[in-house]
Amino acid sequence: AQSVTQLDSHVSVSEGTPVLLRCNYSSSYSPSLFWYVQHPNKGLQLLLKYTSAATLVKGINGFEAEFKKSETSFHLTKPSAHMSDAAEYFCVVSVRTGGFKTIFGAGTRLFVKA
Amino acid sequence: DAMVIQNPRYQVTQFGKPVTLSCSQTLNHNVMYWYQQKSSQAPKLLFHYYDKDFNNEADTPDNFQSRRPNTSFCFLDIRSPGLGDAAMYLCATEPSRPNSGGALKNNEQFFGPGTRLTVL
Repeated sequence: AQSVTQLDSHVSVSEGTPVLLRCNYSSSYSPSLFWYVQHPNKGLQLLLKYTSAATLVKGINGFEAEFKKSETSFHLTKPSAHMSDAAEYFCVVSVRTGGFKTIFGAGTRLFVKA
Repeated sequence: DAMVIQNPRYQVTQFGKPVTLSCSQTLNHNVMYWYQQKSSQAPKLLFHYYDKDFNNEADTPDNFQSRRPNTSFCFLDIRSPGLGDAAMYLCATEPSRPNSGGALKNNEQFFGPGTRLTVL
């Protein structure tokens, strides 16, 4: 079975400070992992993905994430937050072995203070 | 630009009055998804099509149906909307074909902007 846990429902940072959004997963198979961002009343946009290649993945808008199998984690980071980063972020596990499964985390709301 | 389009962006219907939401794509992806997203929650998968094969999630109510007449279009039909069906409905696509070994590759999903459904 697959599951995703986003450890923080809300994260608040000041503009220019680092961002850390935490995600832990479990999977019976080798998963692919994704981070999506959703701005209010918009669809989801892919930030980055891990699909069994390099464990450090760089995405758009300065975000990156590191796949750590030993810790079953895929935390999202950004060195310096911008006001435009304020949004909802979803960590997603995808498995295509033994079925067709996509599991969303509950989401983390990122607030960025001026 | 290749994209996923949802119409309308906002839909108002009356309690019990059937409503259809539409999704079209120019990406030529073989997989299409419908998600329901309520306020401050993660998207919840209702069903997906792999090519023409329909796959219903076990907990999707019978009130929700879907049609996919061709690769480009997919419709969500809500036969008798209740107040609890008010939500954002997201359509997504994914290219998913087996590799030479028969395994399916994990690809990202491409989301439309969503249709916000209000039930009066």
